[in-house]
Amino acid sequence: QITLKESGPTLVKPTQTLTLTCTFADLSLSTSGVGVGWIRQPPGKAPEWLAAIYWDDDKRYGPSLKSRLTITKDTSKNQVVLTMTNMDPVDTATYYCVHVRGVRRIYFDYWGQGTLVTVSS
Amino acid sequence: SYVLTQAPSVSVAPGKTARITCGGNNIETKNVHWYQQKPGQAPVLVIYYDSDRPSGIPDRFSGSNSGNTATLTISRVEAGDEADYYCQVWDSVSDDPVFGGGTKLTVL
Repeated sequence: QITLKESGPTLVKPTQTLTLTCTFADLSLSTSGVGVGWIRQPPGKAPEWLAAIYWDDDKRYGPSLKSRLTITKDTSKNQVVLTMTNMDPVDTATYYCVHVRGVRRIYFDYWGQGTLVTVSS
Repeated sequence: SYVLTQAPSVSVAPGKTARITCGGNNIETKNVHWYQQKPGQAPVLVIYYDSDRPSGIPDRFSGSNSGNTATLTISRVEAGDEADYYCQVWDSVSDDPVFGGGTKLTVL
């Protein structure tokens, strides 16, 4: 059973950079076809896809935040890191790490528990 | 980008059948995935590729996709099915996954 867990700050100030880490188990980003990504969900709203990284280091970003996001992986540590620059109060959301099925026509079959990030001064 | 439209809420009595729809232009040409999210919890995949069920999901959950509407059907609804349900597809034009706005299922 794949498990994913997010870690990072719960509170960031406007203009700061957010760094979130996803640590996963029973999954290896050195295995062909494997992908791990991030999805966020503002309170009371629908999920929004942010980014994904694949076993071959292919990286995909959602269109609305592409310029602010960087996703990287550390295969030896079973970790994926997402950074988001220039945080704003509208970025307040629960951020989920997900296992990505497929490279195109993707869906998400395992989700972490999520971490609530609040942006406030 | 591709737009998915869901009704904000659906209500159903216990034991009855709930149908939650997801509208999109020619959605039948896309694969639709459905997620269930209970309060305070992460979403859970309940249907993928229109009608496939992950292991552990009861067969009361089923999916279909035709024309401009995909449907998640929950038979013999239970109190524990009360949740938000989101549909999701892959937008081949933008090359991104897209979520619907969600439907809150209330069990009366």
